[in-house]
Amino acid sequence: QKEVEQNSGPLSVPEGAIASLNCTYSDRVSQSFFWYRQYSGKSPELIMSIYSNGDKEDGRFTAQLNKASQYVSLLIRDSQPSDSATYLCAVKNNQGGKLIFGQGTELSVKP
Amino acid sequence: DAGVIQSPRHEVTEMGQEVTLRCKPISGHDYLFWYRQTMMRGLELLIYFNNNVPIDDSGMPEDRFSAKMPNASFSTLKIQPSEPRDSAVYFCASSFLGEKLFFGSGTQLSVL
Repeated sequence: QKEVEQNSGPLSVPEGAIASLNCTYSDRVSQSFFWYRQYSGKSPELIMSIYSNGDKEDGRFTAQLNKASQYVSLLIRDSQPSDSATYLCAVKNNQGGKLIFGQGTELSVKP
Repeated sequence: DAGVIQSPRHEVTEMGQEVTLRCKPISGHDYLFWYRQTMMRGLELLIYFNNNVPIDDSGMPEDRFSAKMPNASFSTLKIQPSEPRDSAVYFCASSFLGEKLFFGSGTQLSVL
């Protein structure tokens, strides 16, 4: 079992729709959770972090965390073509700074 | 701050040659990470340092790979000898307290 798993893409949504990206992790002691966005040919950039159960909203982005079920999700409301990218889920436990990434989900927002 | 600076941006070399990748982290950051990204395996953690000390190198593929961080502002990843399967994008990233990584632009390595 991979430490961090994400839905295989590509995920295609129409412009203006809600895009839902999911991630599960295997290490129960994980404490910090992140979503990174990576445009083609570019480096990953942080868009959201979440540390406690529940929802965290930042503009059109909402991160959701459920530690009991060991899953993290990212919702993108009012999706725009500029949101088309690969979204990487990353998980860190409280034993040092090791940050493990999932394979990423490619999102395509169609005009 | 200029961000994390990596060099070179592109490296093309022949099998068997030594390759050295360089990274300058963001000033004040105490963690430095080396990742490798391929289509097949995604973003893999190779090694990370805390306050210039290697903490976990379990992701280093084999003895051909080595990494150093002689001071807080510089790190190298060396592959010797290089092989075609080492072809990938190598990212360096830094962070403060191990949170919120900032990535460099990456080095695209091609081993022929």
